[in-house]
Amino acid sequence: EPEVTQTPSHQVTQMGQEVILRCVPISNHLYFYWYRQILGQKVEFLVSFYNNEISEKSEIFDDQFSVERPDGSNFTLKIRSTKLEDSAMYFCASRLASYNEQFFGPGTRLTVL
Amino acid sequence: KNEVEQSPQNLTAQEGEFITINCSYSVGISALHWLQQHPGGGIVSLFMLSSGKKKHGRLIATINIQEKHSSLHITASHPRDSAVYICAVGPYGGATNKLIFGTGTLLAVQP
Repeated sequence: EPEVTQTPSHQVTQMGQEVILRCVPISNHLYFYWYRQILGQKVEFLVSFYNNEISEKSEIFDDQFSVERPDGSNFTLKIRSTKLEDSAMYFCASRLASYNEQFFGPGTRLTVL
Repeated sequence: KNEVEQSPQNLTAQEGEFITINCSYSVGISALHWLQQHPGGGIVSLFMLSSGKKKHGRLIATINIQEKHSSLHITASHPRDSAVYICAVGPYGGATNKLIFGTGTLLAVQP
């Protein structure tokens, strides 16, 4: 069964460093999302991506964040200069159409020291 | 105020019990999702519904659009059902149908 994959599963970085989180959505899906979950808190929407551009972003998704779909298969989230408060689990999700269910990746746990 | 509220926050049940988790929301929605999150962190979609009722195995999800309320039922609960159950809604009119999540219900089913 097709699935969303994410790498790495766990990333540890120093404050101020850049990180890139990678996702491979399900191949024929058209809508892509990044969510994050700070430990002990609810999952929060970061950004959605459709037709090779950002379609919606939350207040959390400031200038330090960017997304790319560089090669038609990967979908990346970059944090330019990480802060301690960026420590969280980051989930990628994809869906075929806007009215279909979303499929989630296993998540990347980001720890900023 | 949270747009999606779940109750209870924590639930302990004995194996075999019938379980109900409730979700209320305050926004217009195109669909409501029930998700399961295991201790390792991964999220699995259980149901997506916009009206009525859906059943999959021992799980049943219902939604009342007029009352902005949904319930997830687990019949004949089993320890392997222990997980966090999350209600999430896709706001109506949103082109991208992002999800707005509830805080989750931590279910522990004891043998």
